[in-house]
Amino acid sequence: SQQGEEDPQALSIQEGENATMNCSYKTSINNLQWYRQNSGRGLVHLILIRSNEREKHSGRLRVTLDTSKKSSSLLITASRAADTASYFCATDPQGAQKLVFGQGTRLTINP
Amino acid sequence: DTAVSQTPKYLVTQMGNDKSIKCEQNLGHDTMYWYKQDSKKFLKIMFSYNNKELIINETVPNRFSPKSPDKAHLNLHINSLELGDSAVYFCASSQEGAAGFYGYTFGSGTRLTVV
Repeated sequence: SQQGEEDPQALSIQEGENATMNCSYKTSINNLQWYRQNSGRGLVHLILIRSNEREKHSGRLRVTLDTSKKSSSLLITASRAADTASYFCATDPQGAQKLVFGQGTRLTINP
Repeated sequence: DTAVSQTPKYLVTQMGNDKSIKCEQNLGHDTMYWYKQDSKKFLKIMFSYNNKELIINETVPNRFSPKSPDKAHLNLHINSLELGDSAVYFCASSQEGAAGFYGYTFGSGTRLTVV
């Protein structure tokens, strides 16, 4: 299976703390993407990192990619209650013509 | 304007019925998808179309039949609904670039409940 795996499955932290989520995958990829899903809603694209990039920033988001270990991490700094959601990593495997999603990390930010 | 819109948002139906879900995107993307999200939040691709041509059919039962009348629309018809078909179905669209597929734009989902 090309499915990615995310760790942890659930994370609960206090507002203002940083949240780190990890993703591992199995195949060579073109890029890796992170998405957010609020309860009962569709997925929203957050950030994309290409296979030749190691780190990328967007606002309070920082994504790293280690293609030798086939892993990625998403760091959300200074978390807010509005960051409460499920976060999914998705890989674009070479030649697959599709995104393959992990099962997500459920993030809860406590006020 | 909603970029990817799918209807209906909720669908409750009895086993054995036939139902359709419609999807439209106004982003000018060439590729559209159907994904199924189960109760454990696992998202699995079902179909993808590129400019009206079927690209991916991911071992989905024959009871599921996608139709793409043009590149802005991708509908999903389901025959003889079963209890196990209960899930949230997401439509998405994307555009391919030199570095692979860029971010997908998802619809808000159709929650299908088969009783």
